[in-house]
Amino acid sequence: GAVVSQHPSWVICKSGTSVKIECRSLDFQATTMFWYRQFPKQSLMLMATSNEGSKATYEQGVEKDKFLINHASLTLSTLTVTSAHPEDSSFYICRAGLALDYEQYFGPGTRLTVT
Amino acid sequence: AQKVTQAQTEISVVEKEDVTLDCVYETRDTTYYLFWYKQPPSGELVFLIRRNSFDEQNEISGRYSWNFQKSTSSFNFTITASQVVDSAVYFCALMTGTASKLTFGTGTRLQVTL
Repeated sequence: GAVVSQHPSWVICKSGTSVKIECRSLDFQATTMFWYRQFPKQSLMLMATSNEGSKATYEQGVEKDKFLINHASLTLSTLTVTSAHPEDSSFYICRAGLALDYEQYFGPGTRLTVT
Repeated sequence: AQKVTQAQTEISVVEKEDVTLDCVYETRDTTYYLFWYKQPPSGELVFLIRRNSFDEQNEISGRYSWNFQKSTSSFNFTITASQVVDSAVYFCALMTGTASKLTFGTGTRLQVTL
């Protein structure tokens, strides 16, 4: 199956700093990428949907100025957590796929800890 | 709006027991896809199965089997002769519409002990 990578796999940052997480589709071109957040012992919650070359669509309650999403190419999407706070500590997972296609592939996730 | 309910928060079984994880979904769409994923402690989601709304055939893959019943909007997952390596969180998910949004249930944590 298709491979999606995320980098870094884990990151620790200080409160107030920004951190960027990359999601890459390694062997296919992903027209759509989705970003999820998962708090400990909870389910995956969709944060935003991004289509290559256009602005991301954020789910209700997700601050678009805090979670900046860029999908500049068909193989790369980035999530930047700006001015991170301890409550942003979570597991972030991306999903990549083709529009209107049920085939979707998840990245391995990035564990963010904000101290 | 779509919704996925996994009523079992945690299940604990002894190795070799059979266990069934329940999943009930809600959608008004006639075309949709149902998924099961396994999430081991590492966090990476492992795809187990995808089923579309027009295919109600049950499926068996090794020790895993799935029972899809549209009449009750359920897509249950059974592990036969469970093993310690099956210990993980299992998520049922629903995809509908053209936006390919995937809605997850709250997950069931399965603990298999010796």
